[in-house]
Amino acid sequence: AQTVTQSQPEMSVQEAETVTLSCTYDTSESDYYLFWYKQPPSRQMILVIRQEAYKQQNATENRFSVNFQKAAKSFSLKISDSQLGDAAMYFCAYTDSGNTPLVFGKGTRLSVIA
Amino acid sequence: DTGVSQNPRHKITKRGQNVTFRCDPISEHNRLYWYRQTLGQGPEFLTYFQNEAQLEKSRLLSDRFSAERPKGSFSTLEIQRTEQGDSAMYLCASSLMNSPRDTQYFGPGTRLLVL
Repeated sequence: AQTVTQSQPEMSVQEAETVTLSCTYDTSESDYYLFWYKQPPSRQMILVIRQEAYKQQNATENRFSVNFQKAAKSFSLKISDSQLGDAAMYFCAYTDSGNTPLVFGKGTRLSVIA
Repeated sequence: DTGVSQNPRHKITKRGQNVTFRCDPISEHNRLYWYRQTLGQGPEFLTYFQNEAQLEKSRLLSDRFSAERPKGSFSTLEIQRTEQGDSAMYLCASSLMNSPRDTQYFGPGTRLLVL
């Protein structure tokens, strides 16, 4: 079975600085999708960024980018120019295809210090 | 596109009572998923539908849990004879199969507290 591991329960970053959240996963599949979701306190989960395993180029969405290392089964999220609104739980998730159930990590709580 | 909606947002019940939650997906989405999230954990998959067909159920879904999606639109999740261990956030998500950006979009969740 696929597993997703987030080894950092909590992280903090100064406003305007850069922070990297770690995620590793285990799968025997060669084709799959990886996601980072953000869950602000008492608010719904929203998609931050997605990566298709067959794409070598790392995904980027504005201030958010990933470092996808397929051989190492690593998928880290970099947040640049951190803002107070970035404070949330961040979940790494895996699926064999975009439309099958997601397997989530336990999450990393990010605090942003003004 | 009004997003995924869930009702009620909060539910407090006594142990042994039955509860039912509703999820309305994004209108054109044909896949609908239920997840459960306990405090300090990531969401765990419960079950999912393609249109009205239930495609998969997790081992987490005991026989006290039942889900339906009549007519392939909204879905309901019922828990019978609730137990304190059922206290959690129940999340619904939907997606459009075979779309160029087939991604699951989540609702706000229903928080259940069983006393």
